[in-house]
Amino acid sequence: QVTLKESGPALLKPTQTLTLTCTFSGFSLSMSRMRVSWLRQPPGKALEWLARIDWDNDKFYNKSLRTRLTISKDTFRNQVFLTMTNMDPVDTGTYYCARTSGCGRDTCHFDSWGQGALVTVSS
Amino acid sequence: SYVLTQPPSVSVAPGQTARITCGANNIGATSVHWYQQRPGQAPVLVVYADVDRPSGIPDRFSGSNSGNTATLTISRVEAGDEAAYYCQVWDSSIDTGFFGGGTQLTVL
Repeated sequence: QVTLKESGPALLKPTQTLTLTCTFSGFSLSMSRMRVSWLRQPPGKALEWLARIDWDNDKFYNKSLRTRLTISKDTFRNQVFLTMTNMDPVDTGTYYCARTSGCGRDTCHFDSWGQGALVTVSS
Repeated sequence: SYVLTQPPSVSVAPGQTARITCGANNIGATSVHWYQQRPGQAPVLVVYADVDRPSGIPDRFSGSNSGNTATLTISRVEAGDEAAYYCQVWDSSIDTGFFGGGTQLTVL
Protein backbone atom coordinates (compact mmCIF):
# COMPACT_ATOMS: atom_id res chain seq x y z
CA GLN A 1 0.00 0.00 0.00
CA VAL A 2 1.37 3.38 -1.05
CA THR A 3 1.05 6.20 1.45
CA LEU A 4 2.45 9.74 1.49
CA LYS A 5 2.27 12.39 4.18
CA GLU A 6 3.31 16.03 4.09
CA SER A 7 4.71 17.92 7.04
CA GLY A 8 5.92 21.44 7.59
CA PRO A 9 5.02 24.78 9.11
CA ALA A 10 1.40 25.83 9.07
CA LEU A 11 2.12 29.56 9.26
CA LEU A 12 4.82 31.68 7.67
CA LYS A 13 5.48 35.38 7.42
CA PRO A 14 6.02 37.07 4.05
CA THR A 15 9.58 36.71 2.69
CA GLN A 16 10.25 33.60 4.76
CA THR A 17 11.29 30.28 3.23
CA LEU A 18 8.96 27.30 3.27
CA THR A 19 10.40 23.84 3.75
CA LEU A 20 8.09 20.86 3.38
CA THR A 21 8.80 17.18 3.89
CA CYS A 22 7.00 14.31 2.16
CA THR A 23 7.42 10.99 3.95
CA PHE A 24 6.24 8.01 1.97
CA SER A 25 5.97 4.23 2.11
CA GLY A 26 5.02 1.43 -0.24
CA PHE A 27 7.63 2.31 -2.84
CA SER A 28 11.23 3.45 -2.97
CA LEU A 29 12.96 6.21 -4.90
CA SER A 30 15.89 3.85 -5.26
CA MET A 31 13.81 1.88 -7.77
CA SER A 32 13.88 2.69 -11.45
CA ARG A 33 11.00 4.85 -12.77
CA MET A 34 9.88 5.99 -9.34
CA ARG A 35 9.06 9.68 -9.13
CA VAL A 36 7.48 12.12 -6.66
CA SER A 37 5.91 15.51 -7.36
CA TRP A 38 4.83 18.47 -5.27
CA LEU A 39 1.58 20.26 -6.10
CA ARG A 40 -0.45 22.97 -4.42
CA GLN A 41 -3.98 24.33 -4.29
CA PRO A 42 -4.95 27.81 -3.11
CA PRO A 43 -8.21 27.88 -1.14
CA GLY A 44 -11.14 27.39 -3.51
CA LYS A 45 -8.92 27.27 -6.57
CA ALA A 46 -7.43 24.74 -8.97
CA LEU A 47 -4.47 22.45 -8.58
CA GLU A 48 -1.00 23.55 -9.68
CA TRP A 49 2.00 21.30 -10.29
CA LEU A 50 5.21 22.63 -8.74
CA ALA A 51 8.10 20.21 -9.10
CA ARG A 52 9.12 16.60 -9.67
CA ILE A 53 12.11 14.49 -8.66
CA ASP A 54 12.98 11.14 -10.21
CA TRP A 55 14.73 8.04 -8.90
CA ASP A 56 17.91 9.10 -10.77
CA ASN A 57 17.80 12.56 -9.14
CA ASP A 58 16.55 14.32 -12.26
CA LYS A 59 14.54 17.38 -11.22
CA PHE A 60 11.84 19.35 -13.03
CA TYR A 61 10.17 22.60 -12.04
CA ASN A 62 7.18 24.75 -12.89
CA LYS A 63 8.80 27.38 -15.08
CA SER A 64 6.87 30.25 -13.50
CA LEU A 65 8.20 29.36 -10.02
CA ARG A 66 11.58 27.90 -10.97
CA THR A 67 13.69 30.57 -9.28
CA ARG A 68 11.98 30.00 -5.93
CA LEU A 69 11.78 26.19 -5.80
CA THR A 70 14.19 23.45 -4.84
CA ILE A 71 13.24 19.77 -4.70
CA SER A 72 15.48 17.13 -3.14
CA LYS A 73 15.29 13.65 -1.68
CA ASP A 74 16.64 11.37 1.01
CA THR A 75 16.29 7.96 -0.59
CA PHE A 76 17.21 6.01 2.52
CA ARG A 77 14.64 7.77 4.68
CA ASN A 78 11.93 7.67 1.97
CA GLN A 79 11.56 11.43 2.05
CA VAL A 80 11.25 14.19 -0.52
CA PHE A 81 11.67 17.86 0.35
CA LEU A 82 10.49 21.10 -1.19
CA THR A 83 11.79 24.53 -0.38
CA MET A 84 10.10 27.67 -1.65
CA THR A 85 11.77 31.00 -0.99
CA ASN A 86 10.34 34.46 -0.56
CA MET A 87 6.87 33.33 0.46
CA ASP A 88 3.95 35.69 -0.17
CA PRO A 89 0.29 35.64 0.93
CA VAL A 90 -0.65 34.47 -2.57
CA ASP A 91 1.29 31.27 -1.82
CA THR A 92 -1.26 30.36 0.83
CA GLY A 93 -2.82 27.00 0.15
CA THR A 94 -2.67 23.26 0.61
CA TYR A 95 0.56 21.64 -0.53
CA TYR A 96 0.48 18.02 -1.66
CA CYS A 97 3.08 15.46 -2.53
CA ALA A 98 2.12 12.68 -4.94
CA ARG A 99 3.69 9.63 -6.47
CA THR A 100 4.08 10.29 -10.15
CA SER A 101 3.66 7.54 -12.75
CA GLY A 102 3.52 7.08 -16.50
CA CYS A 103 6.30 9.52 -17.32
CA GLY A 104 8.16 6.91 -19.36
CA ARG A 105 5.37 7.15 -21.90
CA ASP A 106 5.24 10.95 -21.72
CA THR A 107 2.02 10.79 -19.77
CA CYS A 108 2.93 11.67 -16.19
CA HIS A 109 0.05 11.49 -13.75
CA PHE A 110 -0.34 11.42 -9.99
CA ASP A 111 -1.61 8.07 -8.77
CA SER A 112 -1.25 8.43 -5.00
CA TRP A 113 -1.52 11.63 -2.98
CA GLY A 114 -0.75 12.71 0.53
CA GLN A 115 -3.44 14.28 2.68
CA GLY A 116 -2.00 17.74 2.12
CA ALA A 117 -0.48 20.37 4.37
CA LEU A 118 -2.17 23.75 4.72
CA VAL A 119 0.31 26.61 4.63
CA THR A 120 -0.80 30.13 5.45
CA VAL A 121 1.39 33.13 4.68
CA SER A 122 0.44 36.17 6.70
CA SER A 123 2.12 38.99 8.54
CA SER B 1 2.06 24.88 -22.82
CA TYR B 2 -1.60 23.98 -22.30
CA VAL B 3 -4.64 25.94 -21.24
CA LEU B 4 -7.26 23.40 -20.20
CA THR B 5 -10.83 24.68 -20.14
CA GLN B 6 -13.48 23.00 -18.00
CA PRO B 7 -17.05 24.11 -17.30
CA PRO B 8 -17.27 25.46 -13.75
CA SER B 9 -20.25 23.30 -12.90
CA VAL B 10 -22.31 20.34 -14.07
CA SER B 11 -25.55 19.17 -12.49
CA VAL B 12 -27.18 15.79 -12.90
CA ALA B 13 -29.91 13.77 -11.25
CA PRO B 14 -29.08 10.50 -9.50
CA GLY B 15 -28.97 7.58 -11.89
CA GLN B 16 -28.31 9.78 -14.90
CA THR B 17 -25.07 10.26 -16.83
CA ALA B 18 -22.70 13.16 -16.19
CA ARG B 19 -20.25 14.33 -18.82
CA ILE B 20 -17.44 16.68 -17.86
CA THR B 21 -15.36 18.16 -20.65
CA CYS B 22 -11.78 19.40 -20.83
CA GLY B 23 -10.95 21.50 -23.86
CA ALA B 24 -7.64 22.50 -25.41
CA ASN B 25 -6.20 22.88 -28.88
CA ASN B 26 -5.49 19.38 -30.20
CA ILE B 27 -5.77 17.79 -26.76
CA GLY B 28 -6.46 14.51 -28.53
CA ALA B 29 -2.76 14.32 -29.36
CA THR B 30 -1.80 13.86 -25.70
CA SER B 31 -2.95 11.79 -22.76
CA VAL B 32 -5.48 13.19 -20.30
CA HIS B 33 -5.92 12.21 -16.68
CA TRP B 34 -8.85 12.91 -14.36
CA TYR B 35 -9.04 13.45 -10.61
CA GLN B 36 -11.94 13.54 -8.18
CA GLN B 37 -11.66 15.81 -5.15
CA ARG B 38 -14.30 15.68 -2.45
CA PRO B 39 -14.50 18.66 -0.06
CA GLY B 40 -11.64 18.73 2.41
CA GLN B 41 -9.92 15.74 0.84
CA ALA B 42 -6.94 15.13 -1.41
CA PRO B 43 -7.52 14.46 -5.10
CA VAL B 44 -8.00 10.86 -6.23
CA LEU B 45 -7.04 9.61 -9.69
CA VAL B 46 -10.14 8.19 -11.40
CA VAL B 47 -9.03 7.91 -15.06
CA TYR B 48 -5.53 7.99 -16.53
CA ALA B 49 -4.14 7.83 -20.05
CA ASP B 50 -7.50 8.90 -21.47
CA VAL B 51 -9.39 5.66 -20.78
CA ASP B 52 -7.73 3.57 -18.04
CA ARG B 53 -9.06 3.21 -14.50
CA PRO B 54 -6.92 2.63 -11.42
CA SER B 55 -7.84 -0.40 -9.37
CA GLY B 56 -10.77 0.30 -7.10
CA ILE B 57 -12.39 2.88 -9.36
CA PRO B 58 -15.87 1.76 -10.47
CA ASP B 59 -16.44 1.13 -14.15
CA ARG B 60 -19.10 3.84 -14.00
CA PHE B 61 -16.16 6.20 -14.60
CA SER B 62 -14.87 6.30 -18.15
CA GLY B 63 -12.90 8.66 -20.35
CA SER B 64 -12.47 9.61 -23.96
CA ASN B 65 -10.24 12.03 -25.82
CA SER B 66 -10.36 13.24 -29.40
CA GLY B 67 -9.77 16.42 -31.33
CA ASN B 68 -9.99 19.41 -29.04
CA THR B 69 -12.01 17.81 -26.23
CA ALA B 70 -11.46 15.16 -23.59
CA THR B 71 -14.47 13.91 -21.65
CA LEU B 72 -14.97 12.21 -18.31
CA THR B 73 -18.23 10.28 -18.25
CA ILE B 74 -19.84 9.14 -15.02
CA SER B 75 -22.69 6.71 -15.55
CA ARG B 76 -25.46 5.95 -13.05
CA VAL B 77 -24.44 8.95 -10.95
CA GLU B 78 -24.65 8.54 -7.18
CA ALA B 79 -24.78 11.12 -4.41
CA GLY B 80 -21.24 10.14 -3.44
CA ASP B 81 -19.95 11.30 -6.83
CA GLU B 82 -20.59 14.91 -5.87
CA ALA B 83 -17.14 16.47 -5.98
CA ALA B 84 -14.81 18.67 -7.99
CA TYR B 85 -13.22 17.01 -11.01
CA TYR B 86 -9.94 18.13 -12.59
CA CYS B 87 -8.36 17.16 -15.89
CA GLN B 88 -4.58 17.10 -16.23
CA VAL B 89 -2.01 16.70 -18.98
CA TRP B 90 1.77 16.53 -19.06
CA ASP B 91 3.62 18.58 -21.63
CA SER B 92 6.71 16.48 -22.27
CA SER B 93 8.31 19.19 -24.44
CA ILE B 94 8.80 21.33 -21.34
CA ASP B 95 8.33 18.66 -18.66
CA THR B 96 5.50 20.46 -16.93
CA GLY B 97 2.11 19.38 -15.68
CA PHE B 98 -1.07 21.37 -16.34
CA PHE B 99 -4.49 21.19 -14.73
CA GLY B 100 -7.87 22.43 -15.80
CA GLY B 101 -9.75 24.87 -13.63
CA GLY B 102 -11.99 22.15 -12.23
CA THR B 103 -15.67 21.28 -12.57
CA GLN B 104 -18.00 21.03 -9.61
CA LEU B 105 -20.39 18.12 -10.08
CA THR B 106 -23.68 18.58 -8.25
CA VAL B 107 -26.02 15.64 -7.81
CA LEU B 108 -29.53 17.04 -7.69
